[in-house]
Amino acid sequence: QKEVEQDPGPLSVPEGAIVSLNCTYSNSAFQYFMWYRQYSRKGPELLMYTYSSGNKEDGRFTAQVDKSSKYISLFIRDSQPSDSATYLCAMTKNQGGKLIFGQGTELSVKP
Amino acid sequence: GAVVSQHPSWVICKSGTSVKIECRSLDFQATTMFWYRQFPKQSLMLMATSNEGSKATYEQGVEKDKFLINHASLTLSTLTVTSAHPEDSSFYICSARDVASGRGADTQYFGPGTRLTVL
Repeated sequence: QKEVEQDPGPLSVPEGAIVSLNCTYSNSAFQYFMWYRQYSRKGPELLMYTYSSGNKEDGRFTAQVDKSSKYISLFIRDSQPSDSATYLCAMTKNQGGKLIFGQGTELSVKP
Repeated sequence: GAVVSQHPSWVICKSGTSVKIECRSLDFQATTMFWYRQFPKQSLMLMATSNEGSKATYEQGVEKDKFLINHASLTLSTLTVTSAHPEDSSFYICSARDVASGRGADTQYFGPGTRLTVL
């Protein structure tokens, strides 16, 4: 069993839709959770960072962490074609620890 | 914001040759850099952690004699793929940790990646 599971998609939505991306994990020691966006043939870009359980909002993006269920989510409101990319969740046990990535979900937002 | 560059962005080489990839933190000092490998439609797999002035720490299953890492300064780490073979063809991405950013636990900034094709 992988430590972090993420549905690879692809996920296709119309412009303006609300997008929900999710990851589950098995190791309860993870405390820091991140979402990265990766455009084709580019390096990942940090979108959201969350410590422990709770919600965090940044513009059109909201990250949720539910440690009791070992489940994290990224919501994108009013999705735009420019949001089309692969979204990777990542997590680590402690500051400076090794990042464990999910497989990534490929998202396509159609105009 | 913190910027990490990689050079070259893509390289094609013959089997048996060695290829060096550079990773630079442009506007911050990085005591720790990381090297990842990514296959198409797959996640990033950590290969090794590079600490300035000391030997790199390799993940299980990664051959340290094949993937040579040098982190000679606070802004530069290099990955050399020695005696490359077609199975080494992949997307190699580095990241650098900006400990001064204050953003949190593991503010890793990623480079744009290097696509290696071994013929």
